[in-house]
Amino acid sequence: SSLLTQPPSVSVAPGQTARITCGTGDIGIKAVHWYRQNPGQAPVLVLYDATDRPSGIPERFSGSISGDTATLTISRVEAGDAADFYCQLWDSSRDQFVFGTGTTVTVL
Amino acid sequence: QVQLQESGPGLVKPSETLSLTCTVSGGSVRSGGFYWSWIRQPPGKGLEWVGYIYHTGSTSYNPSLKSRVALSTDISKNQFSLTLSSVTAADTAVYYCARVSATVVYGMDVWGQGTTVTVSS
Repeated sequence: SSLLTQPPSVSVAPGQTARITCGTGDIGIKAVHWYRQNPGQAPVLVLYDATDRPSGIPERFSGSISGDTATLTISRVEAGDAADFYCQLWDSSRDQFVFGTGTTVTVL
Repeated sequence: QVQLQESGPGLVKPSETLSLTCTVSGGSVRSGGFYWSWIRQPPGKGLEWVGYIYHTGSTSYNPSLKSRVALSTDISKNQFSLTLSSVTAADTAVYYCARVSATVVYGMDVWGQGTTVTVSS
């Protein structure tokens, strides 16, 4: 199955803004979701439908879409934001769920 | 609050069948609007969707695994299960079960803690 393209890593200083992109290619823009995964733990949904936050997720996490690229933005980055982040969508034409390649966020 | 818990053997021999179960608590696998899914993550690698099952029995599988995978539900036990046949070392991974919810536009809003499966003789 096809994968969504993410940068392998993003480094950011505390207090700055981190942006993680997700290229959806020929799948087209569907509802894109984002997950955070801390080492040794299960993923946690941090954004759904590109821009909506589940309860309990800080407003510092926001999202957008431009063309075939979805972006997760983490504002005012904190040390605790260091984690792996994955985008995901449902390819309705193939009835498949697809994950991005994953991005490791490092807080300097 | 819905919780998911994976269970099954942590070690499977090559060419044998891997079987895992996910027990749902605080909710029902019969509920409409939810799809019950399996995702796996090989050591040091990213997430790979394995498949989903709906309470009607409808399923969808990752094409790369379709010939070897099957999902099922046990309504009486409020569980759903994964079987993966003819396993090789490439199937070594942490296996997660997750709930896909129409409420979050088919995102996965509840995950189990994951269970590690190693394929080795």
